Order: sequence, then C-alpha cells, then structure tokens
Amino acid sequence: AQSVTQPDIHITVSEGASLELRCNYSYGATPYLFWYVQSPGQGLQLLLKYFSGDTLVQGIKGFEAEFKRSQSSFNLRKPSVHWSDAAEYFCAVGGNRDDKIIFGKGTRLHILP
Amino acid sequence: SQTIHQWPATLVQPVGSPLSLECTVEGTSNPNLYWYRQAAGRGLQLLFYSVGIGQISSEVPQNLSASRPQDRQFILSSKKLLLSDSGFYLCAWSLDRGRYGYTFGSGTRLTVV
Repeated sequence: AQSVTQPDIHITVSEGASLELRCNYSYGATPYLFWYVQSPGQGLQLLLKYFSGDTLVQGIKGFEAEFKRSQSSFNLRKPSVHWSDAAEYFCAVGGNRDDKIIFGKGTRLHILP
Repeated sequence: SQTIHQWPATLVQPVGSPLSLECTVEGTSNPNLYWYRQAAGRGLQLLFYSVGIGQISSEVPQNLSASRPQDRQFILSSKKLLLSDSGFYLCAWSLDRGRYGYTFGSGTRLTVV
C-alpha cells in the first residue's frame, strides 16, 4: 500500500535561511509525487509535481524538490525563505495503478524574523 | 479554465442534524472527485472518491456518505451529525489518475455543537 511519511511536524527557520522539508514515500511502482502548501483556513495549493523525467523539479514560489528513488525520498527545498512562506506543507504520493493520492500528515513551517 | 466551487465556507450544526456539502467543478469533463477531511494535527484523511457518475468509493467507514448525481457535482452528506464530524472538509478534482495533481476547493469549516 502507498504511504507517505513527513518526519518533521514543525520546523522553524529564520527569514533568509535555507529550507529543506523531508518526505519519504512507499509505493510499489513508479510514483507520482507532489508537494502542496496550505495557509490557515485555506485549501491546498500545488507547489510542484514529479511523475517522470528530470528528478530535480522546479515549482512555484522558488521551491524545488528532488526525487531520489534509491532513498524513496522527495524532499522540498528553498534557498532563502520569506516570512510569507510560513504555512503547512504536505507531501503526497500516487501512481498509475491508483485513482487516488495519499497525503502525509504535514509539516508546519514557522519563520523567525 | 477549470474552477472548483465548494460551499458553504463555514457551517455550525447541532448534533443529530443532517449535513449536505456541495462541490462543483467547471471547465472539465469526467473528472475524478474527492472528499477529504482535515482534523487538527491529523493531516488529510481521504473520505470518498469518485471516478464517474454514481461511482463512489469509501475509504473510511463512518457517519458520512457521498453521492455524484452529475458529472461535475459531488455531495457529502450525513443523516445525523456527531461531534466527531467536526473538521475542515476539502473537495478536490483531478484528471488522468492524479498524474498532474489535485486541484482543491477552498474548504468548509464544519463545527458540530
């Protein structure tokens, strides 16, 4: 069965510092992988996705993620965070064997001024 | 372009009352449709999904039901609400088994009192 693990419930970084949010997945075939962001009281917005090709994926708002099959990981990175990046981030996995994607429990990002 | 509408935005209902949340998608045909619930600190829980009219898959046995009376309409219902039904409910749609990710509505905050 597919599953997603986001090991960090909360992460705090200073504004301007670099960021890496971890995501590990389990899927029995080539996965579709996603990162979403959610501001309080809002729906989820897709940051980036991977389903084939280049394993380094660029997304919106300056985010990128790298698919590492050997580590079953899809970590999200940003070189310099802004206060507006404070939100909750969800990693998700799906694939062409399924009609649904499964979300991790999320990582809440806090930004120090 | 495709849009997804979800209403109401907030809802306060007494225990034992019925529930109907509606979600509609515009600008696409035969989408996959999904209902998620988000409780504090518990991430996103997939409740139901549908790959076509009248086709509903239930992920979690519970007090809720879903229906898809039209191609782009997805309804979440309950005959008698429980306190534990409180949460943030999100509707989403996708094409091609979610290869390109899901697009989420803005959510309904349900409080059962």
